[in-house]
Amino acid sequence: GENVEQHPSTLSVQEGDSAVIKCTYSDSASNYFPWYKQELGKRPQLIIDIRSNVGEKKDQRIAVTLNKTAKHFSLHITETQPEDSAVYFCAASKGGGSNYKLTFGKGTLLTVNP
Amino acid sequence: DSGVTQTPKHLITATGQRVTLRCSPRSGDLSVYWYQQSLDQGLQFLIQYYNGEERAKGNILERFSAQQFPDLHSELNLSSLELGDSALYFCASSDLGSSDTQYFGPGTRLTVL
Repeated sequence: GENVEQHPSTLSVQEGDSAVIKCTYSDSASNYFPWYKQELGKRPQLIIDIRSNVGEKKDQRIAVTLNKTAKHFSLHITETQPEDSAVYFCAASKGGGSNYKLTFGKGTLLTVNP
Repeated sequence: DSGVTQTPKHLITATGQRVTLRCSPRSGDLSVYWYQQSLDQGLQFLIQYYNGEERAKGNILERFSAQQFPDLHSELNLSSLELGDSALYFCASSDLGSSDTQYFGPGTRLTVL
């Protein structure tokens, strides 16, 4: 089955700096790649997603890039703020046949220091 | 607020017991997914239902079962509970007709003593 590796497991940055989290996936049939932000004890919240027919997507301070050949995708957060501190999860899905189960990476704990 | 609701928020029970977790998807969403989140295993897919039918199974134990009812709410049944079943259980829903985006509910925290 699909395997998603996520790095780094922890990331500490100064407020205003950029943060980058990287994920690789194993199944070349995967075609949907969401990113979720999870605060302690709360639900995962979708922050951005990208599909395999797109190489890059941006939403204000957040961007995601996808390299299908290398089977990796990355989350970029610019001008980080203390409220960006949370655990971030990448995920991959194959879609098709009404089966869109998500395979998650292990998560990255991002700490933004004021 | 994602529009997905889950009850109860917290559940404390003893080993060997059986519990039922409930999920109501967003209005109009036909698909429901169950995920388990634990410190050592991370977020793991358990099972998916689409319009009342089981569509996909992940790492779900035989002691666990689920169903989706005609009104589209879903229940996850956990039986013969063990200490290792303590985790956060999330339900997510999506409208496969237009999008594969999954929206998560607030979760149920299960503690097995």
